[in-house]
Amino acid sequence: DAGVIQSPRHEVTEMGQEVTLRCKPISGHNSLFWYRQTMMRGLELLIYFNNNVPIDDSGMPEDRFSAKMPNASFSTLKIQPSEPRDSAVYFCASSARDRSTDTQYFGPGTRLTVL
Amino acid sequence: GQQLNQSPQSMFIQEGEDVSMNCTSSSIFNTWLWYKQDPGEGPVLLIALYKAGELTSNGRLTAQFGITRKDSFLNISASIPSDVGIYFCAGQLANGNQFYFGTGTSLTVIP
Repeated sequence: DAGVIQSPRHEVTEMGQEVTLRCKPISGHNSLFWYRQTMMRGLELLIYFNNNVPIDDSGMPEDRFSAKMPNASFSTLKIQPSEPRDSAVYFCASSARDRSTDTQYFGPGTRLTVL
Repeated sequence: GQQLNQSPQSMFIQEGEDVSMNCTSSSIFNTWLWYKQDPGEGPVLLIALYKAGELTSNGRLTAQFGITRKDSFLNISASIPSDVGIYFCAGQLANGNQFYFGTGTSLTVIP
């Protein structure tokens, strides 16, 4: 299995630009999670989906952030407009949601720098 | 959200020494996971625990699900330089879906 795939791996953009991060979960997994990691705040859960449906988006910082999962094999996290304080590493993770043996596998992350 | 207290925050040890770190919570968890993160990479799952008291090994790593279900421990025996990285614990509530992460333990192994 290829694991969780994220693109791009690195993104440098200017303040005010729209940023779209992409994720392909592990095939067969039915839950998908978006995290943000910074030195100051560690790993923060932004939003997660079960069977393509957003379940909890309470971690999304503000309206500038939005996430979609149009099908079981693809999700996007969009920031519009981006700001310097959005600079962080964004991880996508997926799980098979078997209640007795739930685990979570992370992608390699997208390092976002907003100038 | 749930608070997971992970300790120690950082460790500097000599190669060959054993390492212990732990994670505690105010809530009862059904699942504990331990991850290792290398610089520039995503966290990689090391060990998953699903039952109170469970002791699971993965090579030189051993993790335990605490009896109270509010804590978990990770031990690394005979550390080597490639053990360097940040170790995270994560816990899942009984009726929950998301995992709550600890703040990480940064491990440095001195050759």
